[in-house]
Amino acid sequence: DQQVKQNSPSLSVQEGRISILNCDYTNSMFDYFLWYKKYPAEGPTFLISISSIKDKNEDGRFTVFLNKSAKHLSLHIVPSQPGDSAVYFCAAGGGADGLTFGKGTHLIIQP
Amino acid sequence: DVKVTQSSRYLVKRTGEKVFLECVQDMDHENMFWYRQDPGLGLRLIYFSYDVKMKEKGDIPEGYSVSREKKERFSLILESASTNQTSMYLCASSFALGPQHFGDGTRLSIL
Repeated sequence: DQQVKQNSPSLSVQEGRISILNCDYTNSMFDYFLWYKKYPAEGPTFLISISSIKDKNEDGRFTVFLNKSAKHLSLHIVPSQPGDSAVYFCAAGGGADGLTFGKGTHLIIQP
Repeated sequence: DVKVTQSSRYLVKRTGEKVFLECVQDMDHENMFWYRQDPGLGLRLIYFSYDVKMKEKGDIPEGYSVSREKKERFSLILESASTNQTSMYLCASSFALGPQHFGDGTRLSIL
């Protein structure tokens, strides 16, 4: 029973365009959502987070949107750069417990 | 910058061996976590700890145990290694409600 779903295993975007990565969740107890980026042979790197009291959080080229009624969040990267090519994991949590991760989306930025 | 250090990047062990994976963090974080990452399955939580000598089971604790004798160190123990425990193991730490920060992982092969 997957509580956090990333339905696109991969996504290809042209350099300079917007990348949109999507994530759906089923557990209404989740109140904290995060995006991580992972390069091969490295651990995940924290990118951006959002709490359930907000619907948007921005940090430079990265913006996370949360739609609580739809139990959906998305990560927007604009403009996309070659260094953004990586696997992106959506994660959700409630309180100080461990996070529940999606299976990841492999983002490929094409020149 | 937060530093989470995992003692080995690569490890090869035999079935039936007792295996220790070590993790150290330098940010005085209360919470520490162990995950495993497998292709197509994302990251799955094995065990976590809120404080010294405390531990909580995650989603897949079977076949594993943990030890937290000091705040900065969290060890994952495979009591009797089996081939289905071949995986990438990731350690993370966080303050109470902050984002988790990950080490670079240990790629463990059980032959």
